[in-house]
Amino acid sequence: DSGVTQTPKHLITATGQRVTLRCSPRSGDLSVYWYQQSLDQGLQFLIQYYNGEERAKGNILERFSAQQFPDLHSELNLSSLELGDSALYFCASSVGTGRYEQYFGPGTRLTVT
Amino acid sequence: GNSVTQMEGPVTLSEEAFLTINCTYTATGYPSLFWYVQYPGEGLQLLLKATKADDKGSNKGFEATYRKETTSFHLEKGSVQVSDSAVYFCALSNFGNEKLTFGTGTRLTIIP
Repeated sequence: DSGVTQTPKHLITATGQRVTLRCSPRSGDLSVYWYQQSLDQGLQFLIQYYNGEERAKGNILERFSAQQFPDLHSELNLSSLELGDSALYFCASSVGTGRYEQYFGPGTRLTVT
Repeated sequence: GNSVTQMEGPVTLSEEAFLTINCTYTATGYPSLFWYVQYPGEGLQLLLKATKADDKGSNKGFEATYRKETTSFHLEKGSVQVSDSAVYFCALSNFGNEKLTFGTGTRLTIIP
C-alpha cells in the first residue's frame, strides 16, 4: 500500500459526458502528479501540482483540467469525453519538488462507451 | 528532452533463471533513475532508485547501477521467481522537469 488513494476504481460513462477523478496523496506529500496509461501511448504525464499551485503541464488536453485543494487532495476533471479517453488514470505523490521518487495510487480505470 | 529506451518484451524465463532488462536514457545533467513494477490489475510500485552516477539501487533481490558513461540503468536479478511476473518500467526525472519519463515497459513472465 503506497498511501496514495484514488476514487473511484472503475468508471464507465458515455461519450460527451464529464467525470471527476479524485486523489489523496500520502500524508506529508505536497506534490501531486496525474498520469494516463493507455495501450497505444504508454504512460504519459498530464499535470503536476505543488502545494495547491500548478507546477508543470504535460500532454493534457484542453478538455481536461485539474486542481489541488488546501487539504492537498487533487481532482482531475475530464469533459466532452471521447472513446479515445478510455485509459487508466494514475495519481502519484512526492514529498516536494525535485527528483524525488513518486508513489502511485491504484488508478482509476475509465471506460467511455 | 528526456527519453527512456527500454528492452522490448515480452520476456519469458524459467524459475531461478538470471534476469536482465536493459534500459538506456537520454537527459541533460544528472537525472534520478527509477525502476517501477506493475503487477496485474494494480498501480505502479517503486522497485528501486539511484540518484547519482555509480549508485546501485537494490530491493527484493533486484539491482540496477546508474552508469553515466553508458547512460544505462539495467535491471538485474540473480534468481527469478514466479511471483516476479509483472510489467517493469524504467523511468527518470530531472531537475526542473520533475515528471517521470517512462520507458515502454517490459512484460516479464516466469514459468515454473
